[in-house]
Amino acid sequence: ETGVTQTPRHLVMGMTNKKSLKCEQHLGHNAMYWYKQSAKKPLELMFVYSLEERVENNSVPSRFSPECPNSSHLFLHLHTLQPEDSALYLCASSQARGGGAKNIQYFGAGTRLSVL
Amino acid sequence: DAKTTQPNSMESNEEEPVHLPCNHSTISGTDYIHWYRQLPSQGPEYVIHGLTSNVNNRMASLAIAEDRKSSTLILHRATLRDAAVYYCLHTQGGSEKLVFGKGTKLTVNP
Repeated sequence: ETGVTQTPRHLVMGMTNKKSLKCEQHLGHNAMYWYKQSAKKPLELMFVYSLEERVENNSVPSRFSPECPNSSHLFLHLHTLQPEDSALYLCASSQARGGGAKNIQYFGAGTRLSVL
Repeated sequence: DAKTTQPNSMESNEEEPVHLPCNHSTISGTDYIHWYRQLPSQGPEYVIHGLTSNVNNRMASLAIAEDRKSSTLILHRATLRDAAVYYCLHTQGGSEKLVFGKGTKLTVNP
């Protein structure tokens, strides 16, 4: 148990559906992250939030829409996805931005998404 | 993006030490070296980090070369539960950004 909880653990959706992934952390951290892990590819950083403000968007298509209502919760809203978006989506949090101990990231177990 | 080079895979026997190497030739003076591991069906897990000096914690030891262009993660006695993909990364100039490579898949034989 890392203190970062992701729901749901598994999600199957059609290309016309709208769904949301949820991430919650009870570690008192101020930075939260979304990563995508496709089969046989390295983790890709998607979004970074620091103190509820989006500070990084790594050229992610607009069909992925993040939301950070407070420092404990992070959402990833999904709409009109493509089959190639099927992947493991991981959420992480860290104490703060910056190097060293402040940037030790704690990951959730991920949501396995399948787009049909 | 900060790039690291690791062997694709390594094997070890249970209860033997394991040395996992990593080259990070583009590292700058203020970049921290981090190691994470990912067990099957789980998210990555922090293992250890360091800047210049060697580091020890309950999970592993980190040996950093004097020029900081390489490091070695040392598992002193591998167990079956240590079988995972191990990622070596470094931050960039104080950034929060961690760039994951493909890592080293460690197999531990009983």
